Amino acid sequence: EPEVTQTPSHQVTQMGQEVILRCVPISNHLYFYWYRQILGQKVEFLVSFYNNEISEKSEIFDDQFSVERPDGSNFTLKIRSTKLEDSAMYFCASSELPPPILNTEAFFGQGTRLTVV
Amino acid sequence: QKEVEQDPGPLSVPEGAIVSLNCTYSNSAFQYFMWYRQYSRKGPELLMYTYSSGNKEDGRFTAQVDKSSKYISLFIRDSQPSDSATYLCAMTEGGSEKLVFGKGTKLTVNP
Repeated sequence: EPEVTQTPSHQVTQMGQEVILRCVPISNHLYFYWYRQILGQKVEFLVSFYNNEISEKSEIFDDQFSVERPDGSNFTLKIRSTKLEDSAMYFCASSELPPPILNTEAFFGQGTRLTVV
Repeated sequence: QKEVEQDPGPLSVPEGAIVSLNCTYSNSAFQYFMWYRQYSRKGPELLMYTYSSGNKEDGRFTAQVDKSSKYISLFIRDSQPSDSATYLCAMTEGGSEKLVFGKGTKLTVNP
């Protein structure tokens, strides 16, 4: 069964450092997303991406964040200068169409746990 | 008032019990409602999707939406230990790709 793959599963970084979280979406999917979940909190939308452009972003997704699809398979989230409050589980998701059109499902990866120390 | 409220539990039931999970919301623009299941150390996976008020059944799962009360429910019949997970409600406005999640309810089904 096709799945969304995220690497690494856990990343520890020092405050102020740049991190890149990587995702390989399902191959025929066109819409890509990043969500995050701070420990004990809700899963929160960060950004959606289609046709090499950001299509929607939340207030959390400020200038410290950027997304890129550097080649035909990877989708990355970069945090330029990490803060302690960026510590969270980051989920990548992908879908054929934007949910909920035609009951489309967004498939989530298993997440990358980012710890900023 | 928070946009989506969900009792985090934890909820512990014996095998075979009927489980009722609920969310309330405040945003009248929400049109689409989903239930996700999340096992430990995994990403959320879609269980049910509903649009209109009323019930939708899929096997042991029934999703219910009451737009007038801004209330959604998920019922699990004949619960199994394998149903033990965190259940997240999620919803979205028409024309938006952003899923707004509840906090999740941790369910344990005891054999």
